[in-house]
Amino acid sequence: GENVEQHPSTLSVQEGDSAVIKCTYSDSASNYFPWYKQELGKRPQLIIDIRSNVGEKKDQRIAVTLNKTAKHFSLHITETQPEDSAVYFCAASKGHNFNKFYFGSGTKLNVKP
Amino acid sequence: ETGVTQTPRHLVMGMTNKKSLKCEQHLGHNAMYWYKQSAKKPLELMFVYSLEERVENNSVPSRFSPECPNSSHLFLHLHTLQPEDSALYLCASSQVGLEYTGELFFGEGSRLTVL
Repeated sequence: GENVEQHPSTLSVQEGDSAVIKCTYSDSASNYFPWYKQELGKRPQLIIDIRSNVGEKKDQRIAVTLNKTAKHFSLHITETQPEDSAVYFCAASKGHNFNKFYFGSGTKLNVKP
Repeated sequence: ETGVTQTPRHLVMGMTNKKSLKCEQHLGHNAMYWYKQSAKKPLELMFVYSLEERVENNSVPSRFSPECPNSSHLFLHLHTLQPEDSALYLCASSQVGLEYTGELFFGEGSRLTVL
């Protein structure tokens, strides 16, 4: 089955700096890669996603890049703000009948004001 | 309306108790999921129901028993649990099919403590 590894497990940055979180996956058939943000005591929520036919996607201060050859994808947050502090999960999935997502172990991002 | 609601939010039970977790989705989705979230571990998929049929059972012990009476409701029946089953149990729903990404919409979770 798929194996998703996520690094780092914790990340501390100064407000205004950039943050990068990286994930690798093992199954070359995976074709959809979402990122979820989970604030303390809240539910995970999708913040950005990318399909395997696209190399990069950007939405305001967040962007995701995908390297299919190397089987890794990354989340980039620019101009970080304290409200970006949360746990971020990457995931990989394939198929259409239902979505079997394989999640990374999460990155706790702390943005210091 | 939050979309996916879970009850109870917190549950403390002894190892011999029987309890149930409930999930309801108001999004018209056709798939529902149970995930287990333990500290510093990946979200673990437990069960998937697609069109009310169980399509995935991820080697979960039989002390966890899911039920999906219709496309909007999902239950997780708990019986003779172990302390290591203490975790946050997240319900999610999604719309699956060729035109959809299958984005997961999560509930707030049920925090379970087994004494």
